[in-house]
Amino acid sequence: GQNIDQPTEMTATEGAIVQINCTYQTSGFNGLFWYQQHAGEAPTFLSYNVLDGLEEKGRFSSFLSRSKGYSYLLLKELQMKDSASYLCAVPLSGNTPLVFGKGTRLSVIA
Amino acid sequence: GAGVSQSPSNKVTEKGKDVELRCDPISGHTALYWYRQSLGQGLEFLIYFQGNSAPDKSGLPSDRFSAERTGGSVSTLTIQRTQQEDSAVYLCASSLDMRGEKLFFGSGTQLSVL
Repeated sequence: GQNIDQPTEMTATEGAIVQINCTYQTSGFNGLFWYQQHAGEAPTFLSYNVLDGLEEKGRFSSFLSRSKGYSYLLLKELQMKDSASYLCAVPLSGNTPLVFGKGTRLSVIA
Repeated sequence: GAGVSQSPSNKVTEKGKDVELRCDPISGHTALYWYRQSLGQGLEFLIYFQGNSAPDKSGLPSDRFSAERTGGSVSTLTIQRTQQEDSAVYLCASSLDMRGEKLFFGSGTQLSVL
């Protein structure tokens, strides 16, 4: 998805907080999704933002600014099992299928 | 079904052969999507169905790729005359509809073209 940008890799320490950023360009906005994908497994849904602001769900929070075309995923109290790729996804326009960013591979180290 | 089911889970084929990949979506989900993921890469959108209709086929990499969906349920992705560059994980996903609904993914078919 050339219209979605996120960092390729990040490393963080167990117990710490990490923020994964995503910028996007769409002609119409119909929400932004974050998915988690462990190595060798299918992506699983994490969060969906359609309005500006922060959505908190346990250790994971997702933020959206529609005017800036910007979102971030915030992971708190990192655990080793959080090591995975985190994919940002948006429909390019209106009700069209999701286009995914290339994903951010997060490594959590002791 | 309880989740999205894909078969086979692994397929090894020789260059030039045809392959057929199957996806059984969650019961009641009207939208079905095919994506492909090469090693270490992001998800590449291929095609989607709303019911049995595929409104946009522009994501298919070449005319060797085709897909159909029957009865608003099972979908098959067919690759003719496979090439080595077709090797990837082919992921199917379904959702209730296309209006802001989250996608549920199957475990994928790992295709290896020798």
